[in-house]
Amino acid sequence: NAGVTQTPKFRILKIGQSMTLQCTQDMNHNYMYWYRQDPGMGLKLIYYSVGAGITDKGEVPNGYNVSRSTTEDFPLRLELAAPSQTSVYFCASSDLEKLFFGSGTQLSVL
Amino acid sequence: ELKVEQNPLFLSMQEGKNYTIYCNYSTTSDRLYWYRQDPGKSLESLFVLLSNGAVKQEGRLMASLDTKARLSTLHITAAVHDLSATYFCAVDISRGGATNKLIFGTGTLLAVQP
Repeated sequence: NAGVTQTPKFRILKIGQSMTLQCTQDMNHNYMYWYRQDPGMGLKLIYYSVGAGITDKGEVPNGYNVSRSTTEDFPLRLELAAPSQTSVYFCASSDLEKLFFGSGTQLSVL
Repeated sequence: ELKVEQNPLFLSMQEGKNYTIYCNYSTTSDRLYWYRQDPGKSLESLFVLLSNGAVKQEGRLMASLDTKARLSTLHITAAVHDLSATYFCAVDISRGGATNKLIFGTGTLLAVQP
């Protein structure tokens, strides 16, 4: 039972670098989400997707891009990383009853 | 602006005591979720409340939803140390829960002392 798998678990970036956070789910869920969690705070929705080929912005989309070419995968791309993007990133999928979260990616931008 | 506010933000309680965490939200919604997060871990789903008046219980935790008051409560009965964690409420702002688009509260850090 893999569920929602995120890679990498940890990453350090330099300012201005780019990277892609990978997320894959094996539950055949149409709905997928990216959240970020800053220290001591709740989760903020970055982007979400209601199915392959369909994505939409959440609360804090600036500085990020997403794509959804398959049902299983929902990668999050950071272009020109900034210190403000230092956070823990969670991917989730949903069966419209509840969200299932991945284990998170801890990202530091220095 | 949509707000989801929890109080208290921090709760230190003794084992065996009862307490309630409150979640207020500022928009119309009939779906509310409670999650638990242990330090450095992901989020674990506790309750899904799908209608006004919904009440769910699991062990020492009981959650309720009043959509008219835009209020949910998480009641802890006879707390034990294992309940120490951060608890989040989250409101589904999509119409009819069509996209499960959740807005999270800031969390309540619960510390249960022996």
